[in-house]
Amino acid sequence: QVQLVQSGAEVKKPGASVKVSCKASGYTFTSYDINWVRQATGQGLEWMGWMNPNSGNTGYAQKFQGRVTMTRSTSISTAYMELSSLRSEDTAVYYCARGPWDSTRMDVWGQGTTVTVSS
Amino acid sequence: QPVLTQPPSVSGAPGQRVTISCTGSSSNIGAAYDVHWYQQLPGTAPKLLIYGNNNRPSGVPDRFSGSKSGTSASLAITGLQAEDEADYYCQSYDSSLSYVVFGGGTRLTVL
Repeated sequence: QVQLVQSGAEVKKPGASVKVSCKASGYTFTSYDINWVRQATGQGLEWMGWMNPNSGNTGYAQKFQGRVTMTRSTSISTAYMELSSLRSEDTAVYYCARGPWDSTRMDVWGQGTTVTVSS
Repeated sequence: QPVLTQPPSVSGAPGQRVTISCTGSSSNIGAAYDVHWYQQLPGTAPKLLIYGNNNRPSGVPDRFSGSKSGTSASLAITGLQAEDEADYYCQSYDSSLSYVVFGGGTRLTVL
């Protein structure tokens, strides 16, 4: 079945970087975009950016420009999101979500990765 | 502050009908960009509930429906069930920001 499986929880110190992976299975990885969305505890969903796994093209929300990098490895059908210069406000659950090229909808979601930023 | 505005909470008794509004502007919903809705059960990832304003993915009961008019959209749930208790989010695209935007989310309580 179609699924996205994300890497495990991370604990990082302020100023560090974190890299979360998202492994796709059950479909052609390069045929759908990958979005990254985060959710702080008790808060709503916040879109961070997208990547086209076929071309490697990316688009980031202004808030994260300069701090986020989205990449992929097509050989292992895996997308990555790296966030640098971490601060306590970055503590959240990070989700990857698949999206068709012709739509902004996100039809398959990963299980989420908890990133905790604490000194 | 979310770009799309939703009521923080709604409630209804089993069997009743509830609606959740999502208000945007001329640069997102009013600009004819599609609205999608997600259901997030406690402790789980969001799940696509309605896409393209009023379409249900396979497996979503027809108790759930979406509509859009002008700069607003709505999610309606009929025949409310206890299992519908969750957070609901609307999502669209904003041409001024050039990125995807979400509503702040609405918590549905089944009384």
